[in-house]
Amino acid sequence: GEDVEQSLFLSVREGDSSVINCTYTDSSSTYLYWYKQEPGAGLQLLTYIFSNMDMKQDQRLTVLLNKKDKHLSLRIADTQTGDSAIYFCAESMAGGSYIPTFGRGTSLIVHP
Amino acid sequence: SQTIHQWPATLVQPVGSPLSLECTVEGTSNPNLYWYRQAAGRGLQLLFYSVGIGQISSEVPQNLSASRPQDRQFILSSKKLLLSDSGFYLCAWRKTRGLSEAFFGQGTRLTVV
Repeated sequence: GEDVEQSLFLSVREGDSSVINCTYTDSSSTYLYWYKQEPGAGLQLLTYIFSNMDMKQDQRLTVLLNKKDKHLSLRIADTQTGDSAIYFCAESMAGGSYIPTFGRGTSLIVHP
Repeated sequence: SQTIHQWPATLVQPVGSPLSLECTVEGTSNPNLYWYRQAAGRGLQLLFYSVGIGQISSEVPQNLSASRPQDRQFILSSKKLLLSDSGFYLCAWRKTRGLSEAFFGQGTRLTVV
């Protein structure tokens, strides 16, 4: 099976909260990332969390990490149509010699 | 600040023709460089990575090759394109130390016809 797993699609109504979930298998992961990909563009780093943290909040974004269950989530409050994109979860160990492992991406669709 | 340039943005090539996609990074030295392919619904597939000039590691055997002629230049090539080479190709770089998040180029949409 894949090292990082995500559901492929999520549909929410504008103004609601979105929660995108991710599970990973490598317990030695040091960093966990969320990337956003808008149509036809590259990936942009949204936020990251160290493996020794439980939660990180950045404006409308909240990242929760359950290290015991190897579960990562991204909550977007007050979701807007501009949030429609593909969201990738990724994990890696510290140091550039380790190759980050990406999930398959979750397509978030925000409808009025 | 560091930037990554990838070109061309779109490319339509006939089957059997050669390919050359170029990626350059500015504002850093000795980055780790990566080529990914993104097919619809299949996420990111790592094709090649490089930890230094002339050092290329291939993750998936296929019709493509990569080269790193200079520290901040990464090239993806093919001698003869196949229909199955169509996809969205992304170049990325990472620092060798620290947080090491990946920074991505804007991608190249390749259509082989």
